[in-house]
Amino acid sequence: AQSVAQPEDQVNVAEGNPLTVKCTYSVSGNPYLFWYVQYPNRGLQFLLKYITGDNLVKGSYGFEAEFNKSQTSFHLKKPSALVSDSALYFCAVRDSVSGGYNKLIFGAGTRLAVHP
Amino acid sequence: GAGVSQSPSNKVTEKGKDVELRCDPISGHTALYWYRQSLGQGLEFLIYFQGNSAPDKSGLPSDRFSAERTGGSVSTLTIQRTQQEDSAVYLCASSLGDVPLYEQYFGPGTRLTVT
Repeated sequence: AQSVAQPEDQVNVAEGNPLTVKCTYSVSGNPYLFWYVQYPNRGLQFLLKYITGDNLVKGSYGFEAEFNKSQTSFHLKKPSALVSDSALYFCAVRDSVSGGYNKLIFGAGTRLAVHP
Repeated sequence: GAGVSQSPSNKVTEKGKDVELRCDPISGHTALYWYRQSLGQGLEFLIYFQGNSAPDKSGLPSDRFSAERTGGSVSTLTIQRTQQEDSAVYLCASSLGDVPLYEQYFGPGTRLTVT
């Protein structure tokens, strides 16, 4: 069965420090992986995705994510956190096997709190 | 350009009543999705439309839930005989196509509260 796990409900980090939000996945076939961010009372906004190619993917707002096939992980990272990065972050996977194309499987979300 | 819009933004209804939630996708996007986000939970897939193909209804939690997409554009999600467990934020998303290369663009959601 397809699944996505975000093991941390909340991540706290000081402004200016690096941040990591963890994500692991389980799918059959090759995974297509996504990160979305949700600000209060807003819809989800796309950050970045991994389809194929380089394992390090760069996205919006200075975020990047590293795909690790052996560890089935796709952790979100940023070298220097901003207070404005505080939000709810969702990892998602779309299976590449036919029939799984048309939906995203989301993790439960990780709340990132960046303190001044 | 205009993003995905949803209406109403908030809906409070009494248990047992029917509700309709509306989604206007981005112009030109052929794929449309409905998700449900419950408090403290991730997003739960409900239904997917792609062009004139039969929709994927595999995520609908019960036969009280149904959705239509008229003219390949606007979609309406209907919940009949609402229950308190239906309280959630209902999110609509659209994308250029259903190939995994295309990311989904989400609307702001409709917050449904069943009293």
